[in-house]
Amino acid sequence: AQTVTQSQPEMSVQEAETVTLSCTYDTSESDYYLFWYKQPPSRQMILVIRQEAYKQQNATENRFSVNFQKAAKSFSLKISDSQLGDAAMYFCAYRSEGGKLIFGQGTELSVKP
Amino acid sequence: GAVVSQHPSWVICKSGTSVKIECRSLDFQATTMFWYRQFPKQSLMLMATSNEGSKATYEQGVEKDKFLINHASLTLSTLTVTSAHPEDSSFYICSARDPGTSSYEQYFGPGTRLTVT
Repeated sequence: AQTVTQSQPEMSVQEAETVTLSCTYDTSESDYYLFWYKQPPSRQMILVIRQEAYKQQNATENRFSVNFQKAAKSFSLKISDSQLGDAAMYFCAYRSEGGKLIFGQGTELSVKP
Repeated sequence: GAVVSQHPSWVICKSGTSVKIECRSLDFQATTMFWYRQFPKQSLMLMATSNEGSKATYEQGVEKDKFLINHASLTLSTLTVTSAHPEDSSFYICSARDPGTSSYEQYFGPGTRLTVT
């Protein structure tokens, strides 16, 4: 069975600085998707970024980028120029071929002004 | 992006009663929807996969007789919590998969907070 692990329950970053959130996963599948979701206090899940396993190039969405290391089964999220609105719970997720999303435990990010 | 709605957003019910939560895909047809449960400060746990026109597939440990799922149309799935008890109090989130996207994107509803008194 697939598992997703986020080892940082809480992280803090100064406004305008850069922060990296860690995620590791375990799977025997060769084709899958990885995601980072943001959950603000409203609890609406917001897709931040996705990575397809067969693509070697790291995904980037504006200030958000990932470091995808397939062999190491690592998928970290880098947030550049952090803003107050980035404060939220961040979940790493794995999507199997069957479509199920498996979430990590989450990392609560706080941004200091 | 596509929109998924949930109704109600917050419901309070008495112990022993049943409550129904609706999940709708507003601008696409979703053959597959998913139901998650989230306790405070915890992650989302998949409860079941709902496929239009067929029985739902429940995750291990989820009581199918307690959490009834119906996916009668391509835009609506419902979760009914039967004989609710205080331990069923939680945040329930649905997601709908859009088959029209190349990556079969999943879109999440805003969630429903259930409180059982």
